[in-house]
Amino acid sequence: EVQLVESGGGLVKPGGSLRLSCAASGFTFSRYWMHWVRQAPGKGLVWVSRVNSDGSSTNYADSVKGRFTISRDNAKNTLYLQMNSLRAEDTAVYYCARSLGGLRDYWGQGTLVTVSS
Amino acid sequence: QSVLTQPPSASASLGASVTLTCTLSSDYSNYKVDWYQQRPGKGPRFVMRVGTGGIVGSKGDGIPDRFSVLGSGLNRDLTIKNIQEEDESDYHCGADHGSGSNFVWVFGGGTKLTVL
Repeated sequence: EVQLVESGGGLVKPGGSLRLSCAASGFTFSRYWMHWVRQAPGKGLVWVSRVNSDGSSTNYADSVKGRFTISRDNAKNTLYLQMNSLRAEDTAVYYCARSLGGLRDYWGQGTLVTVSS
Repeated sequence: QSVLTQPPSASASLGASVTLTCTLSSDYSNYKVDWYQQRPGKGPRFVMRVGTGGIVGSKGDGIPDRFSVLGSGLNRDLTIKNIQEEDESDYHCGADHGSGSNFVWVFGGGTKLTVL
């Protein structure tokens, strides 16, 4: 059974940092590109970042470029999102999703990040 | 102008049919679109991909035959027949926009489907 389980969310002050993790199981993690997508409370989905299968190539949304870093550890079947200089507008549920051939067919259940003083 | 546009809400009676629309901006008429179902408090679930020729590839795991898609012109629509209570969800459409360093995965605003 494919599983993606996010963790690491919580309450952080503006300007603070947080690292999210996405633990993958039930499939060959190293074959898949991975994405982070976020959803502010009551709002739609917004893409954040992606990383290729071996971690050598990354892309970011303009809103997080220079502040967030996506990475992965294929030996641990885990995806990460390091979030620095957090702002109130980064408050959202963060989801990881797997992708093969451009098809994103499984998502996790999400982890909530709240940026507030 | 957004790449993908969805109406914010839709409703249908139990057992009826409903079509959820996802409209592409005119510059992107060749885009394929993915549909996702998101039940309250849950992560999105892949439904299926649609192009101008209809479904592309296979439906997501466990998606019933009651779900179908149609692609025509700028529209990439999802139809649900014989609506059940469990279909009450937010439905999002998404597409790849750009490539390489300019890649962005874009989404419509989502449609909240209410089952009456």
